[in-house]
Amino acid sequence: AQRVTQPEKLLSVFKGAPVELKCNYSYSGSPELFWYVQYSRQRLQLLLRHISRESIKGFTADLNKGETSFHLKKPFAQEEDSAMYYCALSGLDNAGNMLTFGGGTRLMVKP
Amino acid sequence: GAGVSQSPSNKVTEKGKDVELRCDPISGHTALYWYRQSLGQGLEFLIYFQGNSAPDKSGLPSDRFSAERTGGSVSTLTIQRTQQEDSAVYLCASSPGTSGQETQYFGPGTRLLVL
Repeated sequence: AQRVTQPEKLLSVFKGAPVELKCNYSYSGSPELFWYVQYSRQRLQLLLRHISRESIKGFTADLNKGETSFHLKKPFAQEEDSAMYYCALSGLDNAGNMLTFGGGTRLMVKP
Repeated sequence: GAGVSQSPSNKVTEKGKDVELRCDPISGHTALYWYRQSLGQGLEFLIYFQGNSAPDKSGLPSDRFSAERTGGSVSTLTIQRTQQEDSAVYLCASSPGTSGQETQYFGPGTRLLVL
């Protein structure tokens, strides 16, 4: 079975402060990890994925297979980063590519 | 081009009634997914289609739930004899294929309220 855990339901920081949204996963095969974001009144959209190794809107995430983690980081938070963030996993050796999501973390960036 | 669309955007129904939710995927995407977003369960996978076939129906919560896809395009999720616990946002996503490399693109969702 595959599982994704986001321990923080809410994370509140001030503008300009560093941000780290935690994500831990459990999966016996080869995982592909994603971060999806949902801004207020908008649809769920991909922020970044492990395989791309990109930095999107200043966010990065590193897959740590030893700790089974895929934490999302940004050195200086902006007010427009306030949103709901979901970590998700897809099994590369699973047919179908369905996503298993964590419970989500609401990020609030205060001015 | 147009993204994934879903209709209706909101649906209020009475307990015991049947409802149909529609999803129009991105043109050319062969894979289509249904998820449910509810307060108690978070985001959970329901069913996926590769073309018109649904190889994995294990995520459907009960036999009151069914889905079909025709012409490799539009999909309909049907909930029979709705219950209050079916109240949730139903999300549809599509991707070019089903390999682990593919990104899923989500629709805006249908918010279902069962009274």
